[in-house]
Amino acid sequence: AQSVSQHNHHVILSEAASLELGCNYSYGGTVNLFWYVQYPGQHLQLLLKYFSGDPLVKGIKGFEAEFIKSKFSFNLRKPSVQWSDTAEYFCAVSSNQAGTALIFGKGTTLSVSS
Amino acid sequence: DAGITQSPRHKVTETGTPVTLRCHQTENHRYMYWYRQDPGHGLRLIHYSYGVKDTDKGEVSDGYSVSRSKTEDFLLTLESATSSQTSVYFCAIRTEYNSPLHFGNGTRLTVT
Repeated sequence: AQSVSQHNHHVILSEAASLELGCNYSYGGTVNLFWYVQYPGQHLQLLLKYFSGDPLVKGIKGFEAEFIKSKFSFNLRKPSVQWSDTAEYFCAVSSNQAGTALIFGKGTTLSVSS
Repeated sequence: DAGITQSPRHKVTETGTPVTLRCHQTENHRYMYWYRQDPGHGLRLIHYSYGVKDTDKGEVSDGYSVSRSKTEDFLLTLESATSSQTSVYFCAIRTEYNSPLHFGNGTRLTVT
């Protein structure tokens, strides 16, 4: 069965600090990988996705993620965080079969102080 | 905006009562999903649907049933609500067979 592990439960940073959130998944086949963000009181929004090709994926709001197949990892990065990045971040995985559901990690809460 | 509407947005109900949550989409997408979100657990899949009358269970399906009699509606029913089902419920769709999920705004359910 697929599973996703997010290493950090709560990350606290100052503005302009660099961010890296860890994500590891467990699945033996071809996967699709996602990062979602949830701002307080809102639903999940897609930050970026990886299906195939270049393992370095760029998303919205300056976020990027790197797929390392040998490590089953898909870590999220941002060079310089802003106060508005305060949110909860979820990593998710699905197989590449049609319509399969996403399996989510438990999430990482990011708090950015100004 | 993927045209997803969840209703109701908030509901308080008593233990033992049946509850139905509705997810409505406007664009006739094939794949629909119900998740629940709880602190410390992230999002967990309850049920999903590949099309009309074609549904399957997720990892936390006990105590829940679903129906999809029309492409646009995916109903989640708690036959006899329990306090452990207090949660935020999100409906999601996939616009293409392998696209990211698009989420509705959620339903906050409290079972007293």
